Amino acid sequence: AQKITQTQPGMFVQEKEAVTLDCTYDTSDPSYGLFWYKQPSSGEMIFLIYQGSYDQQNATEGRYSLNFQKARKSANLVISASQLGDSAMYFCAMREGLSNTGKLIFGQGTTLQVKP
Amino acid sequence: DTEVTQTPKHLVMGMTNKKSLKCEQHMGHRAMYWYKQKAKKPPELMFVYSYEKLSINESVPSRFSPECPNSSLLNLHLHALQPEDSALYLCASSQVVTYTDTQYFGPGTRLTVL
Repeated sequence: AQKITQTQPGMFVQEKEAVTLDCTYDTSDPSYGLFWYKQPSSGEMIFLIYQGSYDQQNATEGRYSLNFQKARKSANLVISASQLGDSAMYFCAMREGLSNTGKLIFGQGTTLQVKP
Repeated sequence: DTEVTQTPKHLVMGMTNKKSLKCEQHMGHRAMYWYKQKAKKPPELMFVYSYEKLSINESVPSRFSPECPNSSLLNLHLHALQPEDSALYLCASSQVVTYTDTQYFGPGTRLTVL
């Protein structure tokens, strides 16, 4: 079974508009961390935002916010005021606490294209 | 500073060659990782080093040999690779291996095996 599911292989958004990238996860571990990374065509994985399973508030980092709905096991990334430089592949990932291996479990990714 | 550096950026090698990939971080992190990524796919974990000791080997073929000479350096030695090993190889580091720690990635090495 997929532990991280990203159901949108590709998305388009108009410049300056907001966009939501979906991510659902599956774990029975009460302790886990959720991460979003951006990967431009250059290849580097850029860390965007983190949400811990015990965090009461949704994480925010500049134009990025994470809509964390624990009961639904979803951790959607919201990008406000899209810019052309936001065009990239976006990965949702999870680390589980009990395994304590450091292993990041990735979703299949969503390719975002920002239109001028 | 959250910089992880990797050299070389690009590498082309024949199936009989021996080459090495290098990764360096100066953030004081004690966990380092190697990932392999094929085009349009998520990264796949290969190895994890924790406090300079190999803690995870994800059943990687022996033609890939990792080495962690010190807490800042991570190498990946390559020998007798196959064309299907062509991929982007990403190095990452984190403070330790707990689930709350962010992994920071380097820019990657694009490897082509002829």
